[in-house]
Amino acid sequence: QVQLQESGPGLVKTSETLSLTCTVSGGSISNHYWSWIRQPPGKGLEWIGYIYYSGSTKYNPSLKSRVTISVDTSKNQFSLKLRSVTPADTAVYYCATLPTTKDAFDIWGQGTMVTVSS
Amino acid sequence: EIVLTQSPATLSLSPGERATLSCRASQSVSVYLAWYQQKPGQAPRLLIYHASNRATGIPARFSGSGSGTDFTLTVSSLEPEDFAVYYCQQRSNWLSFGGGTKVEIK
Repeated sequence: QVQLQESGPGLVKTSETLSLTCTVSGGSISNHYWSWIRQPPGKGLEWIGYIYYSGSTKYNPSLKSRVTISVDTSKNQFSLKLRSVTPADTAVYYCATLPTTKDAFDIWGQGTMVTVSS
Repeated sequence: EIVLTQSPATLSLSPGERATLSCRASQSVSVYLAWYQQKPGQAPRLLIYHASNRATGIPARFSGSGSGTDFTLTVSSLEPEDFAVYYCQQRSNWLSFGGGTKVEIK
């Protein structure tokens, strides 16, 4: 059974870059789509973007100018970079699988809380 | 951008009652609509995909219906563990989530 685990700093300073990694265990990162989703405290879910194992990406238009998602198949990991962060980027960040057979987020990591503060 | 509107925002029901949650899309998403359940402090859990297909391990009391712009998630008889927040999500045009419906104990 595939499991996902997010990792990265829990505190990022305003205007800096938020960097998170999702490690995939129990299965291969190949031949799948992988996604990042976030949830500000007490609010709803926001899709950030996804990447195919080959490296092709698609981003939420509202975040596209600040987001980069990359994949490292040798480490079975994919990563998120969000530039020029503000307190509005404070959220729980989740990684998840996005199987084309379901067009939905099937398996989720536990989530990691990232706080943006000066 | 496709906007998903969920209603009601809050549903107050008792265990054993039927819950009917609505998700309306600003334009057609065909059947590319999923439903999730989220409990406090937990990641969302996929319940329904492609509008009406139950995900692995999801009890039969959960059912989804609809196509185009109007979708419904029904819980036939609420169990104590079903009180949570429910989100819909579309993948017809980019990806987006609805604002959520909280099902609370009356």
